[in-house]
Amino acid sequence: EDQVTQSPEALRLQEGESSSLNCSYTVSGLRGLFWYRQDPGKGPEFLFTLYSAGEEKEKERLKATLTKKESFLHITAPKPEDSATYLCAVPQGTDKLIFGTGTRLQVFP
Amino acid sequence: KAGVTQTPRYLIKTRGQQVTLSCSPISGHRSVSWYQQTPGQGLQFLFEYFSETQRNKGNFPGRFSGRQFSNSRSEMNVSTLELGDSALYLCASSHERSSYEQYFGPGTRLTVT
Repeated sequence: EDQVTQSPEALRLQEGESSSLNCSYTVSGLRGLFWYRQDPGKGPEFLFTLYSAGEEKEKERLKATLTKKESFLHITAPKPEDSATYLCAVPQGTDKLIFGTGTRLQVFP
Repeated sequence: KAGVTQTPRYLIKTRGQQVTLSCSPISGHRSVSWYQQTPGQGLQFLFEYFSETQRNKGNFPGRFSGRQFSNSRSEMNVSTLELGDSALYLCASSHERSSYEQYFGPGTRLTVT
C-alpha cells in the first residue's frame, strides 16, 4: 500500500539550532515528491518539488533532498518565523496526491 | 497572478443541514482537488475534477459531492451534516493533473454544532 510517513511528529528548536525533518515513502514508481509549509488556520504553501534521487532544492534556510526511499528537509539556523507544520506528499496514480501527517516545528527565540 | 480563492472562509452549521463550498482555481489551472483536514486524520483526499469531470474520489460517504464548471471553478456539497464533518476544507488547483504540484487556497473552516 502506498504510504507517506513523516518524523518526528513535533520538533522544538532554539533559534539557530539546525535540524532535519524526514519524509519516507513507499510508492511504486516515484514521480515526484512535494514539500509544503502550513501555518495554523491556513492552506498549505508549496515549497519544493523533487523528482529524482540525489536532487536538492534550496530556499532561504530550507534545503530539501531526495533518496530512493526518503526525503529530508534540512533547516539551517532556523528563526521563529520558520515555525509551522511541514508536509510532504507524493503522487498516487495520475490524479491524486497522498500526504504525510506532517511535522509541527516550533522555533523559540 | 491571483491565487486559489475559497468562499466562505468560515461557516457554522447545525447537524442535518447541508452546505456548499466554493473554490476558484488559479487562472489557467484546470485540475481542482478537494481535501478535508482534521487534527487527527491530517489531509484526506475527497475528490478531483478536471474539465468538469470527476477523475478520482477518496474514501468518503456519498454525502460528499462536488462539481466543476466550464470556467474551472468548483463547488463541493455536504448533505446531512454530522458533527464529525467539522474540519478545514481545502481546495487545490494544478495546471493539468493533480499529481503535479498543487496550490492551495486558504480553506473553509466548517463547524457543525
